Amino acid sequence: AQSVTQPDIHITVSEGASLELRCNYSYGATPYLFWYVQSPGQGLQLLLKYFSGDTLVQGIKGFEAEFKRSQSSFNLRKPSVHWSDAAEYFCAVEVNKLIFGAGTRLAVHP
Amino acid sequence: IAGITQAPTSQILAAGRRMTLRCTQDMRHNAMYWYRQDLGLGLRLIHYSNTAGTTGKGEVPDGYSVSRANTDDFPLTLASAVPSQTSVYFCASSGQTSGSNEQFFGPGTRLTVL
Repeated sequence: AQSVTQPDIHITVSEGASLELRCNYSYGATPYLFWYVQSPGQGLQLLLKYFSGDTLVQGIKGFEAEFKRSQSSFNLRKPSVHWSDAAEYFCAVEVNKLIFGAGTRLAVHP
Repeated sequence: IAGITQAPTSQILAAGRRMTLRCTQDMRHNAMYWYRQDLGLGLRLIHYSNTAGTTGKGEVPDGYSVSRANTDDFPLTLASAVPSQTSVYFCASSGQTSGSNEQFFGPGTRLTVL
């Protein structure tokens, strides 16, 4: 069965530090891939998506993600984290329907 | 309005009571979805509707029902609420963008069943 794994439940980084959130998926072909962000008490907002083509995808708020077929991964990165990036991040795979990972909660220290 | 609205924002409900969560979108999207979000489990699909007049079961449909009488509205009903249905519920909708169903989410309804 298709699945999405986000190995890190919680991550804490200092403001200004770089960030990488991991996402691995299990699917026979290349699916559509998404990263969503959820601020406290809010719904989910799309950060970026990968359908095909260039494996490095740029998103909103300075985020990017790289699709690596050989590793079945779609890790999210940001070079310099801001305090406002503290939120929960969800990786998702579309296989007829969206399948979400369990999420990674990001805390940012000043 | 622009986007998806959900009502109520939060609700405390006695077990055994009937409850309908409302969802309305004004983007003329064909597809709509209901998810529940539980700690450590991410979002799980309850029911979906690909177009008005049709519905389908998701990953966790038991205890829930939906209807899709028109394009804009997609209510979720708990016929007899149980404590395990305590969760945050999100409605979402999607059109067809670049061959994929990019979904737009509502702000959520926090439901507590006692």
